[in-house]
Amino acid sequence: DVKVTQSSRYLVKRTGEKVFLECVQDMDHENMFWYRQDPGLGLRLIYFSYDVKMKEKGDIPEGYSVSREKKERFSLILESASTNQTSMYLCASSLPGWTEAFFGQGTRLTVV
Amino acid sequence: GENVEQHPSTLSVQEGDSAVIKCTYSDSASNYFPWYKQELGKGPQLIIDIRSNVGEKKDQRIAVTLNKTAKHFSLHITETQPEDSAVYFCAASSPFGNEKLTFGTGTRLTIIP
Repeated sequence: DVKVTQSSRYLVKRTGEKVFLECVQDMDHENMFWYRQDPGLGLRLIYFSYDVKMKEKGDIPEGYSVSREKKERFSLILESASTNQTSMYLCASSLPGWTEAFFGQGTRLTVV
Repeated sequence: GENVEQHPSTLSVQEGDSAVIKCTYSDSASNYFPWYKQELGKGPQLIIDIRSNVGEKKDQRIAVTLNKTAKHFSLHITETQPEDSAVYFCAASSPFGNEKLTFGTGTRLTIIP
């Protein structure tokens, strides 16, 4: 069974902390994505990567960075967490081309 | 960039009736249109997709239609069942967008037994 695993289901962090969200996929997919999901706003793309060490900004990259040192792992980094980054974060992976994206179960991050 | 609008935001239908969710997109170059279903506590999952070279695609009780001229596409669910209750997202992708998907804002579908 194909799988995208996010390291935490729930996280509570303090304002100003550096936060790492980890995502691992076992499907040998080239593409990996980080989305943010907020009520009424749908899924918005933060960053994506189409190869190891490659990354591109999505629609809302401000306040975030990413790291992809290995093909199976894609990390989202909040350099200095703020309360407006409280949200559900979803990781996804896919093969190249316009193919099905497989999502993780999500990490609900609360910044206090 | 691409902009996708989705309506309605909430939809309640009696079990056995049909449900229709509509999306419009702005980039005429977009050529891939998937639909995702998100159940409570889970990540979205692809249920059907359509590419711009076809106008309709069916998979059992689910169908998607695409009107490229009007730049809109719709999800049709027939003979709805309680397990169809979920949030549904449409998305669009342009060949010039590096395979990025732009999602709609979602429709919460509730099936009334």
